[in-house]
Amino acid sequence: KQEVTQIPAALSVPEGENLVLNCSFTDSAIYNLQWFRQDPGKGLTSLLLIQSSQREQTSGRLNASLDKSSGRSTLYIAASQPGDSATYLCAASDNYGQNFVFGPGTRLSVLP
Amino acid sequence: EAQVTQNPRYLITVTGKKLTVTCSQNMNHEYMSWYRQDPGLGLRQIYYSMNVEVTDKGDVPEGYKVSRKEKRNFPLILESPSPNQTSLYFCASSLKGSYNGYTFGSGTRLTVV
Repeated sequence: KQEVTQIPAALSVPEGENLVLNCSFTDSAIYNLQWFRQDPGKGLTSLLLIQSSQREQTSGRLNASLDKSSGRSTLYIAASQPGDSATYLCAASDNYGQNFVFGPGTRLSVLP
Repeated sequence: EAQVTQNPRYLITVTGKKLTVTCSQNMNHEYMSWYRQDPGLGLRQIYYSMNVEVTDKGDVPEGYKVSRKEKRNFPLILESPSPNQTSLYFCASSLKGSYNGYTFGSGTRLTVV
């Protein structure tokens, strides 16, 4: 059964720093991997989706990479801002592209 | 606007009083799913549906029912709610094969007293 973990559980950085969030999954037979942002008590906002055939995706200051063979994905945030403070979750789909399994999330605080 | 709509956003109810949380999507998505989110436990799947009249259990289905009579709607039914079902609930949908990933609703915060 697929298991997804995220490291670190929490991260606090000063504004302007570049940072990396890590996501690991146990079953490499995934269809795609999706990164989400969640503000406290709010819904999930999709940030980036990486298909299994892709190595990375970029959106603005965000870059996500995928290495299926090692079961890892990273989310890189450049020039962090206080507005980036939120919990970031990764989710790996099964091989049919359904039934995403979520990691526990990384709680990010960017200090002004 | 393409979206997943959940109602209500907040609900306080008493133990044993049947309730329904509605979920509707306007993207013609085949796949729909319900999750609950609890502190320290993350997001756990309750039920999912691959298409109309096709539903299946997720990881934590006990105490819940679903139906998928129409493609756009996927209600979550709690026939006899208990305090341990107090949680934040999310509905999500995607195209078959999830090529575009999941789209989530805004969530329903349920409190059972």
